[in-house]
Amino acid sequence: EDKVVQSPLSLVVHEGDTVTLNCSYEVTNFRSLLWYKQEKKAPTFLFMLTSSGIEKKSGRLSSILDKKELFSILNITATQTGDSAVYLCAVGSGGGADGLTFGKGTHLIIQP
Amino acid sequence: DVKVTQSSRYLVKRTGEKVFLECVQDMDHENMFWYRQDPGLGLRLIYFSYDVKMKEKGDIPEGYSVSREKKERFSLILESASTNQTSMYLCASSSWTGRGYTIYFGEGSWLTVV
Repeated sequence: EDKVVQSPLSLVVHEGDTVTLNCSYEVTNFRSLLWYKQEKKAPTFLFMLTSSGIEKKSGRLSSILDKKELFSILNITATQTGDSAVYLCAVGSGGGADGLTFGKGTHLIIQP
Repeated sequence: DVKVTQSSRYLVKRTGEKVFLECVQDMDHENMFWYRQDPGLGLRLIYFSYDVKMKEKGDIPEGYSVSREKKERFSLILESASTNQTSMYLCASSSWTGRGYTIYFGEGSWLTVV
């Protein structure tokens, strides 16, 4: 059974801090790893990673994948209160419509 | 931009009622999904569809059925709603990017069964 484990489950930091969110996975036929940010409504897409060692960056957010050790991290630097959200990691395997397995998410709270 | 629209955002239904949740996507995606999301349990797949009139069970299909009569529309049906189906329901559709699938979500439908 495919498995995606995110840690920590929740995290409270102060504005300006840097945070690292973790996602480890066990899947039978890895295709891609995706990160989403979810506030009060639907998750919004952040990154898709398919290759090891290549950092994806968008503003203060960045992510990298290690296919040998089967994990990914999502970094957020200089956090702002607007970064407060649940961050979801999902792994695509098999390439078909049934290929996405989600972790339970990391609930990040940024205190002013 | 991809748009996935869920017509009902907030519903309150009585136990035993039949509930329809409608989802429409405008990007000609082959694949569509229904998930439910509960605190501490994350996103769980109920059903998905990879083509018109095709459907596959996800992780938690019991108590649900789906209908995909047109490519753009995927409906989730609760034949007889129960209180343990109180949840947020997310519809999604996916596209192939050449190196993997990216999934796009609707806004969510908050269902309360009383």
